[in-house]
Amino acid sequence: GESVGLHLPTLSVQEGDNSIINCAYSNSASDYFIWYKQESGKGPQFIIDIRSNMDKRQGQRVTVLLNKTVKHLSLQIAATQPGDSAVYFCAPGGDSSYKLIFGSGTRLLVRP
Amino acid sequence: DTAVSQTPKYLVTQMGNDKSIKCEQNLGHDTMYWYKQDSKKFLKIMFSYNNKELIINETVPNRFSPKSPDKAHLNLHINSLELGDSAVYFCASSQEGQNSGNTIYFGEGSWLTVV
Repeated sequence: GESVGLHLPTLSVQEGDNSIINCAYSNSASDYFIWYKQESGKGPQFIIDIRSNMDKRQGQRVTVLLNKTVKHLSLQIAATQPGDSAVYFCAPGGDSSYKLIFGSGTRLLVRP
Repeated sequence: DTAVSQTPKYLVTQMGNDKSIKCEQNLGHDTMYWYKQDSKKFLKIMFSYNNKELIINETVPNRFSPKSPDKAHLNLHINSLELGDSAVYFCASSQEGQNSGNTIYFGEGSWLTVV
């Protein structure tokens, strides 16, 4: 079956530092990857996505890197702010376009 | 206006009861979903509907019965509630499937506690 895992369940960073959240996936057929942010008491929110024909995509303060060879992607947050504190999920497209498979999540804690 | 709204936000009920969670989206999307999030934050899809038709049923017990009266609504009815049903249930929607590059928008969640 498909599995998605994260290397670090909790990541603590100093405000202003850069954060890197990692995600490993198992389905080599996945061609679309999404990162979601879930703040306490809220639903997941879309942050950024990337297709398998790209290896890097940048947004506002966020960058996603995709390494299909080792089935790994990462989310980089520049100049981490207190508002970035949340649980972050990666979600590779599954074997159906109507089924997102979420990783187990990484909690990001930003120290003031 | 809230894009994906679900009610109730909090629900505490006894084992054996039957309860429903309602969901509505005003985004004009064709596809709606129900996800379950456990206490360890693990998010798992339960159902997805496209144009009121069931597309995905992820081996959910048949005590859970989704109903989609129209494209904008996907309600979740749960019979004979069990302690293990305690979780946060998220409704979501997208325009067609997400592999087409369509973002899934989530509601704020419904916290269900079975006692």
